[in-house]
Amino acid sequence: EVHLVDSGGGLVKPGGSLRLSCAASGFIFSDYSMNWVRQAPGKGLEWVSSISSRSANIYYADSVKGRFTISRDNAKNTLYLQMSSLRAEDTAVYFCASGIKGTGIFDYWGQGTLVTVSS
Amino acid sequence: EIVLTQSPATLSLSPGDRATLSCRASQSVSTYLAWYQQKPGQVPRLLIYDASNRATGIPARFSGSGSGTDFTLTISSLEPEDFAVYYCQQRSDWPPITFGQGTRLEIK
Repeated sequence: EVHLVDSGGGLVKPGGSLRLSCAASGFIFSDYSMNWVRQAPGKGLEWVSSISSRSANIYYADSVKGRFTISRDNAKNTLYLQMSSLRAEDTAVYFCASGIKGTGIFDYWGQGTLVTVSS
Repeated sequence: EIVLTQSPATLSLSPGDRATLSCRASQSVSTYLAWYQQKPGQVPRLLIYDASNRATGIPARFSGSGSGTDFTLTISSLEPEDFAVYYCQQRSDWPPITFGQGTRLEIK
């Protein structure tokens, strides 16, 4: 059974940094692309970033480009999102999602981790 | 960037009714369109991918159709647990991957 566990969220001041993690199990992590999707309070879903299976291809939404870095450790079955220069508008629940059925398909989701950017 | 427009914003129906949700793309996405369901306080769940393929464990009452710019999610006979927010999402021309703004399906 596919299982994704998000962690690392919290309260951070504007301009601060935070690193999110997503621990994966139940599938061959190193074979599939992975993604981060976020949802601001009371709002819809927003794609944040994607990384291919061997990290050769990495993509970001314009809203986070230059501030966020996606990475993965296939030996540890873990996906990361390093967030810096955080802004109030980055406040959201961040979900990791797998792409087992195909690149750009979010087939399994973590439970999400809340990031709050506030002074 | 491909913009996805969902209609209606809110749909009020009763259990047993047929629900038809629409998603229109600003340019062709071929069949690279997915549908997700999200209940309050829960994680989104993949229902349909590539326009018409049901995801693992999704009941047969959910079906997807369409290609190009116009897509439909149909729930043939609503169950109480189907009342939720539904999002469409394209992966045809990315980055960026984009989502629609959502349709809220509420009990009438």
